[in-house]
Amino acid sequence: DIQLTQSPSFLSTSLGDRVTVTCRASQGISSDLAWYQQKPGKAPKLLIYAASTLQSGVPSRFSGSGSGTEFTLTISSLQPEDFATYYCQQLNSYPRTFGQGTKVDIK
Amino acid sequence: QVQLVQSGSELKKPGASVKVSCKASGYTFTTYALNWVRQAPGQGLVWMGWINTDTGNPTYAQDFTGRFVFSLDTSVTTAYLQISNLKPEDTAVYYCARTSSDGGGWKFDPWGQGTLVTVSS
Repeated sequence: DIQLTQSPSFLSTSLGDRVTVTCRASQGISSDLAWYQQKPGKAPKLLIYAASTLQSGVPSRFSGSGSGTEFTLTISSLQPEDFATYYCQQLNSYPRTFGQGTKVDIK
Repeated sequence: QVQLVQSGSELKKPGASVKVSCKASGYTFTTYALNWVRQAPGQGLVWMGWINTDTGNPTYAQDFTGRFVFSLDTSVTTAYLQISNLKPEDTAVYYCARTSSDGGGWKFDPWGQGTLVTVSS
């Protein structure tokens, strides 16, 4: 199985900060990676797929990059509604796996 | 619009069974696979497996064989997750999510709103 390791697991940040979350895969997954945002009590919401394609309706302050084994999610200027937990997911092979999550909290 | 609507919360005793539904609308049901994802309280997302909505063939992740069954009723565009012999550690929110490659990359979108299953004596 492909393992995904996110770093950091917890991020304490301020409004307007630039935030970067890293997701490392235990083996190469090409660009078959998606990022999701989850707020408490809500279902995950797709942000980015194919490593760098922004889902329709998602603000342009979100961006994704990477291929192979290392990927990043960047929020260029953190807004109040961005405080949430972020998960990466690989869709290159079965079983589909998720990273353990990165919680972005208010400093 | 494309959406998945799940059934409501369930409270069950250990050893009982539960059946969670996921009703799809806004698209051709048999064109897209459906996945099930578990999230235990305060924990991350765990993929349970998927069902081919065209053939009805299910595929289970290793930790979800035996007590877990995925099924369909295509006449009402609904997928089901049945869990038998419930254990307290099955307490979790269960999500269904559609697999899509629209736009040129695989993704889970949309997701159902989640169904909380609580197992307690």
